Parts: sequence; structure tokens; C-alpha cells
Amino acid sequence: SQELEQSPQSLIVQEGKNLTINCTSSKTLYGLYWYKQKYGEGLIFLMMLQKGGEEKSHEKITAKLDEKKQQSSLHITASQPSHAGIYLCGADASGAGSYQLTFGKGTKLSVIP
Amino acid sequence: EPEVTQTPSHQVTQMGQEVILRCVPISNHLYFYWYRQILGQKVEFLVSFYNNEISEKSEIFDDQFSVERPDGSNFTLKIRSTKLEDSAMYFCASSEKTGKSYEQYFGPGTRLTVT
Repeated sequence: SQELEQSPQSLIVQEGKNLTINCTSSKTLYGLYWYKQKYGEGLIFLMMLQKGGEEKSHEKITAKLDEKKQQSSLHITASQPSHAGIYLCGADASGAGSYQLTFGKGTKLSVIP
Repeated sequence: EPEVTQTPSHQVTQMGQEVILRCVPISNHLYFYWYRQILGQKVEFLVSFYNNEISEKSEIFDDQFSVERPDGSNFTLKIRSTKLEDSAMYFCASSEKTGKSYEQYFGPGTRLTVT
């Protein structure tokens, strides 16, 4: 079965600093999803990547899927307190249009004003 | 902006009791999912549902679990006889289509506490 490893597990940054979160898969990624979760709340969809080398941006958040499609990174530029939360990567593992997403354990981000 | 809604937000029940968790998916979505997250652990897939039948289910989704779309808007998860280990956050999700091209949108979750 597919495993997703996220690093770091937690991150504390000063407001205004840039940061990167990584998600590494044990298998080829056919669809990679990034979600944000606030403690005890639901998952907010951020971005989905499919093609090797693909890069998407939304406001100050950029996500990339590497060419070999086994790793994705999420980069936040000029972090703000509103970026604080748990970032989860999720993947469609089968490549056959599977219905289920497999998730990593998450990266907890704290932003200090 | 359309969103997935879930009720109740928190459910406390005694071991052995039946619970029904309710979800209203986004109105034009056709694919529905339940996931759960035990405190401190990963979000885990339970089941997917399309065209009034289960499409996929995980090992977690045993005979104690069932899903139903009783009308045109609701999607429910029933746990027949709850166990302590069923305590978790349960998330409903929906997508317009499925597979690698379509995003799954999640609801805010129902926190289930089994005592």
C-alpha cells in the first residue's frame, strides 16, 4: 500500500518568513492533494497536482510535483498567522481513478507574530 | 461558495448504541466519501459511494458500518453497535467526478465520542 511521509512534522516560523513542507510517496503519485486543517476542524482543499513538474499557486502558497512524481513540496512565502494549521498531503494511489485518498500524518505549522 | 455540511458537530454515545452521522454533499456532486481521523492519527478512508452503491471500502468499513443516501441531498454513515475504538472525527467528502482529475471537498466533521 502507499505511504506518504511528510516533513517536517512541525514547524515554527516568524511571521514574514518563507517555509517549505515536503511530502514523499513510496509509490508513483497519480494525483497529489494538499489540504489545510485547523485543529479539530475539517480539511480545506488547497491544490491538486497531477502532472510531473506541475506547479500551482494560490495567493502566497505554491505547490510542486516533481518530475518523477514521487514527491511534492508546499512553499509558503511571507508567512502570516492565518497560515497556521496542519497541512496534509493526500494521494490517489492507484492510478486507475481510485476513489480513495491516502494521507500523510500532517505538518503542524505555527506562525509567531 | 458551496460546501459540504455535517450534523451533528459532536455526538456522544454509549458503547453498543447505534449512531447515524449525517452529511449534505455539494449539490452537483455525484461521488461521496466517508473518512475518519482518530485523535493524533492520519485521516483514513472508509468508503466511497456512487449511484446508490458502494464503490470502494477499506478494511475498517466492516459489517458494523453502513452508508445510505436516503433522499436527494443527504448521505449518512451508520454505525450499528459502537465500540470505544470508534471514537474519532468522521469526515464526509464529495466530488463532482472521481479519480485523478477531481478534487474531494471535505465537511467540517462530526466528533464521535463513545463512552
